[in-house]
Amino acid sequence: AQSVTQPDARVTVSEGASLQLRCKYSYSATPYLFWYVQYPRQGLQLLLKYYSGDPVVQGVNSFEAEFSKSNSSFHLQKASVHWSDSAVYFCALSRGGSNNRIFFGDGTQLVVKP
Amino acid sequence: EAAVTQSPRSKVAVTGGKVTLSCHQTNNHDYMYWYRQDTGHGLRLIHYSYVADSTEKGDIPDGYKASRPSQENFSLILELASLSQTAVYFCASTEQNSGNTLYFGEGSRLIVV
Repeated sequence: AQSVTQPDARVTVSEGASLQLRCKYSYSATPYLFWYVQYPRQGLQLLLKYYSGDPVVQGVNSFEAEFSKSNSSFHLQKASVHWSDSAVYFCALSRGGSNNRIFFGDGTQLVVKP
Repeated sequence: EAAVTQSPRSKVAVTGGKVTLSCHQTNNHDYMYWYRQDTGHGLRLIHYSYVADSTEKGDIPDGYKASRPSQENFSLILELASLSQTAVYFCASTEQNSGNTLYFGEGSRLIVV
């Protein structure tokens, strides 16, 4: 079975501070991994995705994520957050092959204090 | 211009009434999905479809039906709306391969009273 766990329901950081949002996955093979962001009253938008190659992937708005097979993790990072980064962030997993099921974590709400 | 549009964006329904949520995509994508989001929670898959005239059950299909009359359109139907179906519903589309990005609509906020 496959699953995605985001252990932190809410993270609060000060503007200008660095950020890490955690994501752990469970899947026997290497999955496709995604981070999506949801701003208030909007749908989800893709930040970045990973399947193979360099374990550090760059995304929009200076976000990056690092894949670790040994830790089954795909943590999202940003060196310096801005108040506009306040949103809900979702980690997601998709299996390979023709099956196109996507599994989401419960999300982490990021609050950036001015 | 939005490639996945949902209607209505907001609706108040009466318990026991019928509700239809509509989704239209201009991405030319094969796969379409309906997710439910409850306050403070993630997305749960209700129904999905990979081709017109065919739908598949997701993780929480009970109380919902789906219809995919064309590649562009995918509807979610609540025949007998219940209080527990109050939520925000998202439609999404993607291409055939599993590594492709999901494109979401802006959501339909349903309140059942």
